[in-house]
Amino acid sequence: GDSVTQMEGPVTLSEEAFLTINCTYTATGYPSLFWYVQYPGEGLQLLLKATKADDKGSNKGFEATYRKETTSFHLEKGSVQVSDSAVYFCARTNDYKLSFGAGTTVTVRA
Amino acid sequence: DVKVTQSSRYLVKRTGEKVFLECVQDMDHENMFWYRQDPGLGLRLIYFSYDVKMKEKGDIPEGYSVSREKKERFSLILESASTNQTSMYLCASRPNSGEATEAFFGQGTRLTVV
Repeated sequence: GDSVTQMEGPVTLSEEAFLTINCTYTATGYPSLFWYVQYPGEGLQLLLKATKADDKGSNKGFEATYRKETTSFHLEKGSVQVSDSAVYFCARTNDYKLSFGAGTTVTVRA
Repeated sequence: DVKVTQSSRYLVKRTGEKVFLECVQDMDHENMFWYRQDPGLGLRLIYFSYDVKMKEKGDIPEGYSVSREKKERFSLILESASTNQTSMYLCASRPNSGEATEAFFGQGTRLTVV
């Protein structure tokens, strides 16, 4: 079935380090791709999205590019802050549904 | 702002009890979802509904049922709670306007079955 595979965590970084979280998806149909973020004690919220091949989503310094040739949607940020500590989920659409990856816990230390 | 409200943040129930988790959204979204979130497993879809009185099984429906009598409300029912249903339950809603639309999530209900 349609699925998303995410890089396993946890990931621990120092402030101002570069962050990459890998995400690949099954290549069925023409999905839209999303990154959601869950800050401690809060619900999930949309971080960014891309709807077709070669689209780049960006928000809060994070970026991800929809790569059809590698079925990937890796999340990157050039200089992380302590406030970026959260769980990050990659997701793809499948008609009405959203299918999520397992989540990657990121901790940024001052 | 879209608001998805789950009736409880924390619940403790006994094994064998019938449990109702309620979710209400205020943006007239057609689609509503129930997920459970477990460490290392991410979000797994239990049930979803694309219209009033319509429902479809997700990936892990066993032990659960749902009800959608009104567009704004989607209830998850644990017919006979078991300890392996201890989890965080997340409700979401999404408009029916294409695959690129965002899903909005409630704060979650942490259910403990003892």
